[in-house]
Amino acid sequence: AQSVTQPDIHITVSEGASLELRCNYSYGATPYLFWYVQSPGQGLQLLLKYFSGDTLVQGIKGFEAEFKRSQSSFNLRKPSVHWSDAAEYFCAVAPLTGGGNKLTFGTGTQLKVEL
Amino acid sequence: ETGVTQSPTHLIKTRGQQVTLRCSSQSGHNTVSWYQQALGQGPQFIFQYYREEENGRGNFPPRFSGLQFPNYSSELNVNALELDDSALYLCASSLVRQQETQYFGPGTRLLVL
Repeated sequence: AQSVTQPDIHITVSEGASLELRCNYSYGATPYLFWYVQSPGQGLQLLLKYFSGDTLVQGIKGFEAEFKRSQSSFNLRKPSVHWSDAAEYFCAVAPLTGGGNKLTFGTGTQLKVEL
Repeated sequence: ETGVTQSPTHLIKTRGQQVTLRCSSQSGHNTVSWYQQALGQGPQFIFQYYREEENGRGNFPPRFSGLQFPNYSSELNVNALELDDSALYLCASSLVRQQETQYFGPGTRLLVL
């Protein structure tokens, strides 16, 4: 069965510092890969997704992620964090069949930004 | 703003009761998925409906059931509520075509006492 591991439960960074959130997946084949963000009281917002092609994916709000097949990883990065980025971040995978919309999520990483 | 709405926003029920949660999908989206997000966890896939028929189910018992209507609305029904059913329930709508993005609603927070 597929699974997603986000090893960091909490991360604290200073505003303006760089950020990397880790995500590893276990799957029979390369799945579709996603990063979502969830602010308190809000639903999930898609930051970026990888289906195929260029392994470096650009998303909204200045985020990017790199797919590394050899490491089964899809880490999220941002060069300079803003206070408004404080939220919970979820990595997710979906099978190639079914349109990529039956998601398996990791347990999330809570990001705190210090001013 | 995703165009996906859910009602109610909060709900309190007691163990053994039944509950119906509602979702209004983005116009034109023919697929709706429901997820359960327990406190401190990532969302878990409950099931998906496509053109009013169930199109995949996660590891949830039959007391979790759903309906999808032609007007892009849908329901999640849970019978015989248990304490562990307390969670945030999210719906997400999309087109079933490959690589289509899912748009999530803000969720319904259910507390079972």
